[in-house]
Order: sequence, then C-alpha cells, then structure tokens
Amino acid sequence: DAGVTQSPTHLIKTRGQHVTLRCSPISGHKSVSWYQQVLGQGPQFIFQYYEKEERGRGNFPDRFSARQFPNYSSELNVNALLLGDSALYLCASSLAQGAGQPQHFGDGTRLSIL
Amino acid sequence: AQTVTQSQPEMSVQEAETVTLSCTYDTSESDYYLFWYKQPPSRQMILVIRQEAYKQQNATENRFSVNFQKAAKSFSLKISDSQLGDAAMYFCAYRSVGGATNKLIFGTGTLLAVQP
Repeated sequence: DAGVTQSPTHLIKTRGQHVTLRCSPISGHKSVSWYQQVLGQGPQFIFQYYEKEERGRGNFPDRFSARQFPNYSSELNVNALLLGDSALYLCASSLAQGAGQPQHFGDGTRLSIL
Repeated sequence: AQTVTQSQPEMSVQEAETVTLSCTYDTSESDYYLFWYKQPPSRQMILVIRQEAYKQQNATENRFSVNFQKAAKSFSLKISDSQLGDAAMYFCAYRSVGGATNKLIFGTGTLLAVQP
C-alpha cells in the first residue's frame, strides 16, 4: 500500500504570495495532521482534521488554513507568505482518532520563501 | 501546557555499540503516550517505539528499548548493536489521552551519528 504522499516536494515562493500544499493519507486513514518543521527544530503542530472536521489547531496565525475532502485528502493553505514560513511541512495520517493510534508521516514539502 | 526537552543536540556511537538518547517532559496529566521518532536524511519521520504512561513495563522493539521513569518524567531511548542505518535525527514526542486532538508535541531532536 502507498504511504502518505505529499505534493509538491519542493516549492519556492516570494513574500506576500499564497501557497497550497497537498496530502493524501494512507488508504483507509481518516485523520490528517499538519506540522511545520523549521530547520534545526522539532515539528510544530498546525492542524488536525478527522472525518472532514477540524479537531485541533496549533498556535499559528489565521494566514494558515486547511481543509479535508470527502476522500480524506487534505490541503494546507498559507496566505501572505513571510520569510519565517520557510520550513518543511509534514503531513501525517492515522487510522482513527485515538491517542494510541500511530501517525504515519509523508516525506514533506520543502517551502522556501525568497 | 506540555513540553518535551531533549538536552543532547548531537550524539555519536561506534557501530555495534550501545547508545542512550535522553528525553524529559513536563505534564500535569496522568495518562498519555510517549513516542520516539526517527528522521533520516531522506526526511520521512518513522515511528521507532511508543510507550503508554499507565503501563509500567518498558517498551521494546528489537534493538530499541526505552527506560520510562514516570515519576521523574523521563523517557530515554536505548539503541543496542548500533548500525550505520541508525544514523538519523531522533525526536521524542508526547501525546495526551482524551481531548479533541491527537497532536504530537515534539522535542528539538538529537542527531545521532554512527561511526564505522
């Protein structure tokens, strides 16, 4: 079975632009979470969606938004990009909502802001 | 709020030797999960091992084992018989039980080098 897939792999944008990152979870997984990993730091939680509903939001500005589609894939949108948004964006999926459910990560999207 | 601290930015071990990575956390919750994730240079985060807080027995997965000290809020990872493929960034992570979200709270990571 395919793992979590993210697209694009790399992206270069300039300040003020908008970006959309995409994630396809493992088949059958209904939960998708997004994390931001700045170079040299651990991932920071941005959003979690389960069954197409937002279940959690991290400490990120309103420029960050996300949604989950009926097929459980997800998009992360970031508006008015800042230099500080440069990071690796990771998507993780899990089968269900339970705390013990392991999260499976994708390879990430490397976003560079010029 | 919960926090996770990894005080060793970098560690090095000889092939076939044993190494221990440290992790401490802070929480007022009594039930939670702890995880160790491995992130090789290829970037994909891989689950190494997990521990349920209410279980006193330390988790083991082949060459990987943990030393979970709940009272001390310590969760170290021991890698036995280290292999070149173990070289990676290792992250300790915490997750609450209950609540609306299953978010992971990560430490800053420990970069492990394996010397041949």
